[in-house]
Amino acid sequence: DAKTTQPTSMDCAEGRAANLPCNHSTISGNEYVYWYRQIHSQGPQYIIHGLKNNETNEMASLIITEDRKSSTLILPHATLRDTAVYYCIVSDYKLSFGAGTTVTVRA
Amino acid sequence: DADVTQTPRNRITKTGKRIMLECSQTKGHDRMYWYRQDPGLGLRLIYYSFDVKDINKGEISDGYSVSRQAQAKFSLSLESAIPNQTALYFCATSRGDQPQHFGDGTRLSIL
Repeated sequence: DAKTTQPTSMDCAEGRAANLPCNHSTISGNEYVYWYRQIHSQGPQYIIHGLKNNETNEMASLIITEDRKSSTLILPHATLRDTAVYYCIVSDYKLSFGAGTTVTVRA
Repeated sequence: DADVTQTPRNRITKTGKRIMLECSQTKGHDRMYWYRQDPGLGLRLIYYSFDVKDINKGEISDGYSVSRQAQAKFSLSLESAIPNQTALYFCATSRGDQPQHFGDGTRLSIL
């Protein structure tokens, strides 16, 4: 699996957009970009995924650069309940979790 | 995700004991996965199964075995538990290559 690079941590103000970057310069053509999050020690929760095009769902938006070497997860209006570890994963089907980004949303 | 149920939720046991962790799902998914998570780290894949009787090794399969006797059930066994297998264990399911859905985890402590 291709490796990803994410910032270790970031803070975000409640109600503001949170932009989480991810670098995946060695991604191969058939690998998707997945985002999951984990709140405390609960099971990871799927957020969104994409191959080439930008994607949006009820939780977030995913922006993938044209060369596919990086992406950004956008939480449009962060709430305190969005405080979690966010994992960016590039994979065909076998997920390989790194350390992720610890996002803290502050009131 | 209540559709993926792991039992037990917590287990404390002694070195050398045989342990089985169970995972069952009501989602009708064909694929099932077992992961472990150590403190402060991401999840690592132990085994995965694409269908009944199909078993594939993941990143860290040594010391573990699995059984997929029915589509809805995937069990993970530690034949002779050792302390460094103390971890949080997660089961996940997916329909083909679609995103995986995770259970709430089993916290396993080996003394």
